[in-house]
Amino acid sequence: DAKTTQPPSMDCAEGRAANLPCNHSTISGNEYVYWYRQIHSQGPQYIIHGLKNNETNEMASLIITEDRKSSTLILPHATLRDTAVYYCIVRAYSGNTPLVFGKGTRLSVIA
Amino acid sequence: NAGVTQTPKFRVLKTGQSMTLLCAQDMNHEYMYWYRQDPGMGLRLIHYSVGEGTTAKGEVPDGYNVSRLKKQNFLLGLESAAPSQTSVYFCASTNGGHSNTEAFFGQGTRLTVV
Repeated sequence: DAKTTQPPSMDCAEGRAANLPCNHSTISGNEYVYWYRQIHSQGPQYIIHGLKNNETNEMASLIITEDRKSSTLILPHATLRDTAVYYCIVRAYSGNTPLVFGKGTRLSVIA
Repeated sequence: NAGVTQTPKFRVLKTGQSMTLLCAQDMNHEYMYWYRQDPGMGLRLIHYSVGEGTTAKGEVPDGYNVSRLKKQNFLLGLESAAPSQTSVYFCASTNGGHSNTEAFFGQGTRLTVV
Protein backbone atom coordinates (compact mmCIF):
# COMPACT_ATOMS: atom_id res chain seq x y z
CA ASP A 1 0.00 0.00 0.00
CA ALA A 2 1.09 3.55 -0.68
CA LYS A 3 2.44 5.59 2.19
CA THR A 4 0.63 8.69 3.42
CA THR A 5 1.98 11.85 5.04
CA GLN A 6 -0.11 13.97 7.41
CA PRO A 7 0.75 16.91 9.67
CA PRO A 8 1.04 15.74 13.28
CA SER A 9 -1.38 18.30 14.68
CA MET A 10 -3.81 21.07 13.73
CA ASP A 11 -6.10 23.49 15.53
CA CYS A 12 -9.49 24.70 14.38
CA ALA A 13 -11.94 27.18 15.86
CA GLU A 14 -15.34 25.80 16.74
CA GLY A 15 -17.87 26.45 13.98
CA ARG A 16 -15.24 26.90 11.31
CA ALA A 17 -14.32 24.41 8.61
CA ALA A 18 -11.50 22.01 9.44
CA ASN A 19 -9.35 21.11 6.44
CA LEU A 20 -7.07 18.13 7.02
CA PRO A 21 -4.47 17.48 4.30
CA CYS A 22 -2.94 14.17 3.27
CA ASN A 23 -0.17 13.45 0.78
CA HIS A 24 -0.10 10.10 -1.00
CA SER A 25 2.22 10.72 -3.94
CA THR A 26 2.86 7.00 -4.63
CA ILE A 27 -0.80 5.98 -4.81
CA SER A 28 -1.63 3.34 -7.40
CA GLY A 29 -4.56 3.35 -9.80
CA ASN A 30 -6.53 0.73 -7.86
CA GLU A 31 -6.03 2.31 -4.44
CA TYR A 32 -8.70 4.24 -2.61
CA VAL A 33 -8.25 6.97 0.00
CA TYR A 34 -9.95 6.23 3.32
CA TRP A 35 -10.35 8.46 6.35
CA TYR A 36 -10.94 7.25 9.89
CA ARG A 37 -10.87 9.08 13.19
CA GLN A 38 -10.20 8.04 16.76
CA ILE A 39 -11.79 9.98 19.57
CA HIS A 40 -10.03 9.81 22.91
CA SER A 41 -8.62 6.27 22.60
CA GLN A 42 -11.93 4.74 21.51
CA GLY A 43 -11.95 2.37 18.55
CA PRO A 44 -11.43 4.16 15.21
CA GLN A 45 -14.51 5.27 13.32
CA TYR A 46 -14.95 5.29 9.55
CA ILE A 47 -15.57 8.71 8.02
CA ILE A 48 -15.41 8.57 4.23
CA HIS A 49 -13.53 7.10 1.28
CA GLY A 50 -13.00 7.90 -2.40
CA LEU A 51 -11.14 6.93 -5.55
CA LYS A 52 -10.84 10.04 -7.71
CA ASN A 53 -14.10 11.96 -7.51
CA ASN A 54 -14.94 14.24 -4.64
CA GLU A 55 -17.18 12.61 -2.07
CA THR A 56 -19.55 13.97 0.57
CA ASN A 57 -21.57 12.34 3.31
CA GLU A 58 -23.26 13.48 6.50
CA MET A 59 -19.95 13.69 8.34
CA ALA A 60 -17.47 15.21 5.90
CA SER A 61 -16.31 15.94 2.38
CA LEU A 62 -13.30 14.42 0.66
CA ILE A 63 -11.48 16.37 -2.02
CA ILE A 64 -8.95 14.41 -4.10
CA THR A 65 -6.63 16.26 -6.49
CA GLU A 66 -6.81 15.43 -10.17
CA ASP A 67 -3.43 13.64 -10.10
CA ARG A 68 -4.59 11.79 -6.94
CA LYS A 69 -1.35 12.56 -5.14
CA SER A 70 -3.04 14.38 -2.30
CA SER A 71 -6.42 14.82 -0.67
CA THR A 72 -8.18 16.97 1.91
CA LEU A 73 -10.80 15.95 4.43
CA ILE A 74 -13.19 18.76 5.22
CA LEU A 75 -15.34 18.95 8.34
CA PRO A 76 -17.63 21.86 7.35
CA HIS A 77 -18.58 23.12 10.82
CA ALA A 78 -16.22 21.68 13.40
CA THR A 79 -17.51 21.11 16.93
CA LEU A 80 -15.70 20.24 20.13
CA ARG A 81 -16.81 16.63 19.59
CA ASP A 82 -14.69 16.52 16.42
CA THR A 83 -11.50 16.72 18.49
CA ALA A 84 -9.76 13.47 17.57
CA VAL A 85 -6.86 11.87 15.70
CA TYR A 86 -7.65 11.63 11.99
CA TYR A 87 -6.05 8.91 9.89
CA CYS A 88 -5.65 9.02 6.12
CA ILE A 89 -5.17 5.54 4.67
CA VAL A 90 -4.55 4.41 1.14
CA ARG A 91 -5.73 0.91 0.42
CA ALA A 92 -6.48 -1.31 -2.53
CA TYR A 93 -10.20 -2.04 -2.86
CA SER A 94 -9.88 -5.65 -1.83
CA GLY A 95 -11.05 -7.45 1.26
CA ASN A 96 -7.67 -9.16 1.58
CA THR A 97 -5.89 -5.87 2.16
CA PRO A 98 -6.02 -4.79 5.80
CA LEU A 99 -6.05 -1.19 6.91
CA VAL A 100 -2.55 0.07 7.75
CA PHE A 101 -2.55 3.08 10.09
CA GLY A 102 0.06 5.83 10.33
CA LYS A 103 0.28 8.34 13.16
CA GLY A 104 -2.49 10.56 11.82
CA THR A 105 -3.28 14.22 12.55
CA ARG A 106 -4.41 15.27 15.99
CA LEU A 107 -7.15 17.86 15.43
CA SER A 108 -8.00 20.11 18.35
CA VAL A 109 -11.23 22.08 18.02
CA ILE A 110 -11.06 25.17 20.19
CA ALA A 111 -14.06 27.03 21.63
CA ASN B 1 -26.85 -5.30 16.89
CA ALA B 2 -23.89 -5.08 19.23
CA GLY B 3 -21.32 -4.68 16.41
CA VAL B 4 -17.84 -5.67 17.58
CA THR B 5 -17.45 -6.69 21.20
CA GLN B 6 -14.13 -7.23 22.94
CA THR B 7 -13.66 -9.18 26.14
CA PRO B 8 -12.21 -8.27 28.62
CA LYS B 9 -12.02 -4.47 28.63
CA PHE B 10 -9.15 -4.32 31.13
CA ARG B 11 -6.60 -6.84 32.36
CA VAL B 12 -3.40 -6.86 34.39
CA LEU B 13 -1.04 -9.79 33.83
CA LYS B 14 2.20 -10.83 35.44
CA THR B 15 5.18 -11.49 33.19
CA GLY B 16 5.01 -15.04 31.88
CA GLN B 17 1.27 -15.49 32.34
CA SER B 18 -0.96 -16.37 29.43
CA MET B 19 -4.33 -15.05 28.38
CA THR B 20 -6.79 -14.93 25.50
CA LEU B 21 -8.59 -11.87 24.21
CA LEU B 22 -11.94 -12.51 22.58
CA CYS B 23 -13.42 -10.53 19.71
CA ALA B 24 -17.00 -11.22 18.66
CA GLN B 25 -18.95 -9.63 15.80
CA ASP B 26 -22.63 -10.07 14.94
CA MET B 27 -22.55 -8.57 11.42
CA ASN B 28 -21.66 -11.78 9.58
CA HIS B 29 -18.40 -10.19 8.43
CA GLU B 30 -15.81 -12.30 6.65
CA TYR B 31 -12.70 -10.36 7.67
CA MET B 32 -11.42 -9.75 11.17
CA TYR B 33 -8.28 -8.01 12.47
CA TRP B 34 -6.30 -7.53 15.65
CA TYR B 35 -4.34 -4.30 16.21
CA ARG B 36 -2.31 -2.94 19.07
CA GLN B 37 -1.86 0.73 19.91
CA ASP B 38 0.94 2.05 22.08
CA PRO B 39 0.82 5.55 23.62
CA GLY B 40 1.09 8.31 21.02
CA MET B 41 1.21 5.83 18.17
CA GLY B 42 -1.11 4.70 15.43
CA LEU B 43 -2.58 1.22 15.30
CA ARG B 44 -0.29 -1.63 14.24
CA LEU B 45 -1.68 -4.82 12.73
CA ILE B 46 -0.88 -8.02 14.64
CA HIS B 47 -2.82 -10.74 12.79
CA TYR B 48 -5.86 -10.91 10.60
CA SER B 49 -8.29 -13.41 9.11
CA VAL B 50 -10.07 -13.40 5.76
CA GLY B 51 -12.50 -16.16 6.70
CA GLU B 52 -13.36 -18.94 9.11
CA GLY B 53 -10.38 -21.22 9.64
CA THR B 54 -7.85 -18.80 8.08
CA THR B 55 -5.30 -16.49 9.69
CA ALA B 56 -2.41 -14.35 8.45
CA LYS B 57 0.42 -12.35 10.03
CA GLY B 58 0.43 -8.58 10.14
CA GLU B 59 3.20 -6.09 10.97
CA VAL B 60 3.91 -7.20 14.55
CA PRO B 61 2.89 -10.88 14.99
CA ASP B 62 5.68 -12.07 17.30
CA GLY B 63 4.51 -13.21 20.72
CA TYR B 64 0.88 -13.61 19.64
CA ASN B 65 -1.23 -16.40 18.23
CA VAL B 66 -4.74 -16.26 16.80
CA SER B 67 -7.58 -18.58 15.91
CA ARG B 68 -10.78 -18.20 13.90
CA LEU B 69 -12.71 -21.39 14.56
CA LYS B 70 -16.08 -19.68 14.17
CA LYS B 71 -16.87 -16.92 11.71
CA GLN B 72 -18.11 -14.57 14.40
CA ASN B 73 -15.15 -14.95 16.77
CA PHE B 74 -11.47 -14.06 16.48
CA LEU B 75 -9.24 -14.95 19.42
CA LEU B 76 -5.87 -13.38 20.23
CA GLY B 77 -3.59 -15.34 22.55
CA LEU B 78 -0.53 -14.36 24.52
CA GLU B 79 1.30 -17.52 25.59
CA SER B 80 3.90 -15.86 27.82
CA ALA B 81 3.16 -12.20 28.41
CA ALA B 82 6.00 -9.66 28.44
CA PRO B 83 6.01 -6.01 29.60
CA SER B 84 6.52 -4.97 25.95
CA GLN B 85 3.02 -6.28 25.26
CA THR B 86 1.47 -3.66 27.50
CA SER B 87 -0.83 -1.87 25.08
CA VAL B 88 -4.39 -1.24 24.02
CA TYR B 89 -5.69 -3.95 21.72
CA PHE B 90 -8.38 -3.29 19.12
CA CYS B 91 -10.33 -5.77 17.10
CA ALA B 92 -12.03 -4.86 13.82
CA SER B 93 -14.19 -6.53 11.19
CA THR B 94 -15.21 -5.79 7.61
CA ASN B 95 -17.43 -7.39 5.06
CA GLY B 96 -15.78 -9.03 2.10
CA GLY B 97 -16.09 -8.51 -1.62
CA HIS B 98 -17.02 -5.15 -3.05
CA SER B 99 -18.82 -3.83 -0.02
CA ASN B 100 -15.91 -3.70 2.39
CA THR B 101 -15.93 0.04 2.61
CA GLU B 102 -16.12 0.38 6.34
CA ALA B 103 -14.26 -1.35 9.14
CA PHE B 104 -16.02 -1.60 12.49
CA PHE B 105 -13.87 -1.48 15.60
CA GLY B 106 -14.38 -2.68 19.13
CA GLN B 107 -13.83 -0.42 22.11
CA GLY B 108 -10.48 -1.89 22.96
CA THR B 109 -8.83 -4.01 25.67
CA ARG B 110 -6.33 -2.28 27.93
CA LEU B 111 -3.66 -4.79 28.88
CA THR B 112 -0.91 -4.12 31.39
CA VAL B 113 1.89 -6.62 31.90
CA VAL B 114 3.87 -6.13 35.10
